[in-house]
Amino acid sequence: ELKVEQNPLFLSMQEGKNYTIYCNYSTTSDRLYWYRQDPGKSLESLFVLLSNGAVKQEGRLMASLDTKARLSTLHITAAVHDLSATYFCAVDILRDDKIIFGKGTRLHILP
Amino acid sequence: GAVVSQHPSRVICKSGTSVKIECRSLDFQATTMFWYRQFPKQSLMLMATSNEGSKATYEQGVEKDKFLINHASLTLSTLTVTSAHPEDSSFYICSARGGLAVNYEQYFGPGTRLTVT
Repeated sequence: ELKVEQNPLFLSMQEGKNYTIYCNYSTTSDRLYWYRQDPGKSLESLFVLLSNGAVKQEGRLMASLDTKARLSTLHITAAVHDLSATYFCAVDILRDDKIIFGKGTRLHILP
Repeated sequence: GAVVSQHPSRVICKSGTSVKIECRSLDFQATTMFWYRQFPKQSLMLMATSNEGSKATYEQGVEKDKFLINHASLTLSTLTVTSAHPEDSSFYICSARGGLAVNYEQYFGPGTRLTVT
């Protein structure tokens, strides 16, 4: 059974600090996604990581993928309050035609 | 970019009634559509996967007779919650996977908040 584990599940941090969210998964994956969800809203796609060593950056967020370690990270640089949200990683397995989500990381950035 | 719509965005119904939620891919043909349920402060739970013209595949623990899925075309899937009860109150999100043209990516709808009274 595919498992996707995120940690931490909750993170409260000060503005200006850096932090990393980790996403481990238990089986070979075709791609990995990172999403942002604001309260009461659906998902906003942040990154799609397709191959080992992939690194993508958008603003203060940077995502990376290590398929050998089955690990993806979402790094936040110099956090600002607007980044407060819940962040999900999700693993896509095309052969099974399904995407499995981690439990999410609730990020609260204190001004 | 690819857009997925859901209708309605919010619905309140009485216990025992049925509710239909529509999911449409607006500018691409979806090879597969997925239905998720999300309870407050929890992750998305995959309920079922559907392909156009075939029966949906339900995840373990999801009652297929209660959550009826119809995938009538490559751009439309519907989820009907039959004989709804308060415990069915949740945020239902659909997604659609496109084909090679969009690199098989999955796009999410805006969600439907169902409240059963």
